[in-house]
Amino acid sequence: QVQLVESGGGVVQPGRSLRLSCAASGFTFSSYGMHWVRQAPGKGLEWVALIWYDGRNEVYADSVRGRFTVSRDNSENTMYLQMNSLRADDTAVYYCARDARYGSATLNAEYFEHWGQGTLVTVSS
Amino acid sequence: DIQMTQFPSSLSASVGDRVTITCRASQSISSNLNWYQQKPGKGPKLLIHAASSLQSGVPSRFSGSGSGTDFTLTISSLQPEDFATYSCQQSYSTPYTFGQGTKLEIK
Repeated sequence: QVQLVESGGGVVQPGRSLRLSCAASGFTFSSYGMHWVRQAPGKGLEWVALIWYDGRNEVYADSVRGRFTVSRDNSENTMYLQMNSLRADDTAVYYCARDARYGSATLNAEYFEHWGQGTLVTVSS
Repeated sequence: DIQMTQFPSSLSASVGDRVTITCRASQSISSNLNWYQQKPGKGPKLLIHAASSLQSGVPSRFSGSGSGTDFTLTISSLQPEDFATYSCQQSYSTPYTFGQGTKLEIK
């Protein structure tokens, strides 16, 4: 079965860096796009970044562009999120999610089909 | 960015009730609307994709409808395990955006 396991969260001071990992199993990792989605305490979900199945394209939310970098190692079935210049408003549980998409004559559907359990990042002095 | 507005933000209901949650997009998103369920301390779970397609393994008491800007998630007969937070999400364009969530509580 599909399994996504995030790691690397913790407490970090403002301005510092942290790298999150998402270990995937149960599917052909190199065939799927992957996302990072975060949820601040008591708030709704916020999409953060997408990386294509082959790692050749990345898309970011405005709130993290230029500070966060998503990457993947298909030989290790792992996706990463390098977070630099962290701010207090980056405090959140960070989830990785597997992309799914299909198309027809009338619709191109895309959704987050599988999610991990999340890892908490707290930015505080 | 496309704004997603969900209502109500919270809802109290009883086992067996029929419940409807509404999601409105700030512009037309065709049928590019997905619904997720989330329980405390867990990652979200996909329920409905493309507005009305039930994800494999999800009970048939869940259904979705709508297109354009207005969408609904309906639970036909609430079960104890359905008390959770529900969120809509548009996949029409990046940045992908979510509604603020609807917390479904036991009355």
